[in-house]
Amino acid sequence: QVQLVESGGGVVQPGGSLRLSCAASGFTFLSYGMHWVRQAPGKGLEWVAYIRNDENIIWYVDSVKGRFTISRDTSKNTLSLQMNSLRLEDTAVYYCARDLTHFGAFDTWGPGTMVTVSS
Amino acid sequence: EIVLTQSPGTLSMSLGERATLSCRASQSVSTTYLAWYQQKPGQAPRLLIYGASSRATGIPDRFSGSGSGTDFTLTISRLEPEDFAVYYCQQYGSSPPYTFGQGTKLEIK
Repeated sequence: QVQLVESGGGVVQPGGSLRLSCAASGFTFLSYGMHWVRQAPGKGLEWVAYIRNDENIIWYVDSVKGRFTISRDTSKNTLSLQMNSLRLEDTAVYYCARDLTHFGAFDTWGPGTMVTVSS
Repeated sequence: EIVLTQSPGTLSMSLGERATLSCRASQSVSTTYLAWYQQKPGQAPRLLIYGASSRATGIPDRFSGSGSGTDFTLTISRLEPEDFAVYYCQQYGSSPPYTFGQGTKLEIK
């Protein structure tokens, strides 16, 4: 079945870096755009980044531009998020999600990985 | 930026009742690009409705979506125990391209 599994979360100091990964299975990864969405503790959902299936379109929410980089490795069916210059406000559960083509929605989600930025 | 405002913040309902959740946008949203999600504690969100009114795969027909322009509604016709959760609306459009409402918590009365 369609499955997404995130990894790479942990505790990092402000200004530090972390790289998240999302392993995709059960579908043709190269055919789908992919997203990262985060949720701060006790808060709502915030979209973070998007990469189209052909990698020709990449978008970020303003608050992470210049600090986060989304990428994908089709040979490994893996989505990544490189997070640099981390801030306290980046503390959240990070979900990878598959794009529902033509509808701008997220049709499959991973269970999430927790990122804690703390001194 | 298109801001989505959901109401009420919390909705207290009984089993078997009909629940109506509202999502209002600060600017017009294409019906193609309006979605609803359900999230239970400790779990990832689940897509319920896309295109404002189309049910996602495996979603029971007691869930329905409607609306256009700036006003959208998620209706749950007869509440089951598993329906008590937080619900989010989401739009795709102007920068940032994807935004969520703040959520409505549906709790059992």
